[in-house]
Amino acid sequence: GDSVTQMEGPVTLSEEACLTINCTYTATGYPSLFWYVQYPGEGLQLLLKATKADDKGSNKGFEATYRKETTSFHLEKGSVQVSDSAVYFCALSGQGGSEKLVFGKGTKLTVNP
Amino acid sequence: NAGVTQTPKFRVLKTGQSMTLLCAQDMNHEYMYWYRQDPGMGLRLIHYSVGEGTTAKGEVPDGYNVSRLKKQNFLLGLESAAPSQTSVYFCASSYLAGTGLGKANSPLHFGNGTRLTVT
Repeated sequence: GDSVTQMEGPVTLSEEACLTINCTYTATGYPSLFWYVQYPGEGLQLLLKATKADDKGSNKGFEATYRKETTSFHLEKGSVQVSDSAVYFCALSGQGGSEKLVFGKGTKLTVNP
Repeated sequence: NAGVTQTPKFRVLKTGQSMTLLCAQDMNHEYMYWYRQDPGMGLRLIHYSVGEGTTAKGEVPDGYNVSRLKKQNFLLGLESAAPSQTSVYFCASSYLAGTGLGKANSPLHFGNGTRLTVT
């Protein structure tokens, strides 16, 4: 079945450092791919998405490119801020739509001033 | 614009007690979900619903029941709470956009969670 594997954390960075959180997936065809972010005490919210190969999703300085050849959707940011401290989840939805999303286990990011 | 609202926010139960978690969405979404979040386990799907009057089991359904009598509400019940059900519970909703192979899930809209402790 479909699955998502993301790098385990926690990840601790200093402000203005570069961030990469790896995410790879297993799925048939062309799933839709998502990154969600969960700030402390809150529910998850969509950060960015990509629905076809080579699409780049971007939001709030974060980017991720849908790479079919490597089945990856890595999350990147060039310069993190303290306010980016959160848990980040990679997720996929099967091609043609699916009532269920498959989530990775989440990566906790802490950014220190 | 309320989005997805969960009640209560916090609850403490004794083993064997029952309770119902309420989820309401005002976006007319067809799909609704209940997840639990535990440290190191990510999000695990308990039950979900693809429309009013329909429910289905997710990854970890045992010990829980659900009902979707109205499109906007999705209830999660614990008939006899156990300490293993101590968790943070999230409700979410979504819809399916497009047609044929172009269909794709809308992003999930999450509530802010219910923190349940069973002693």
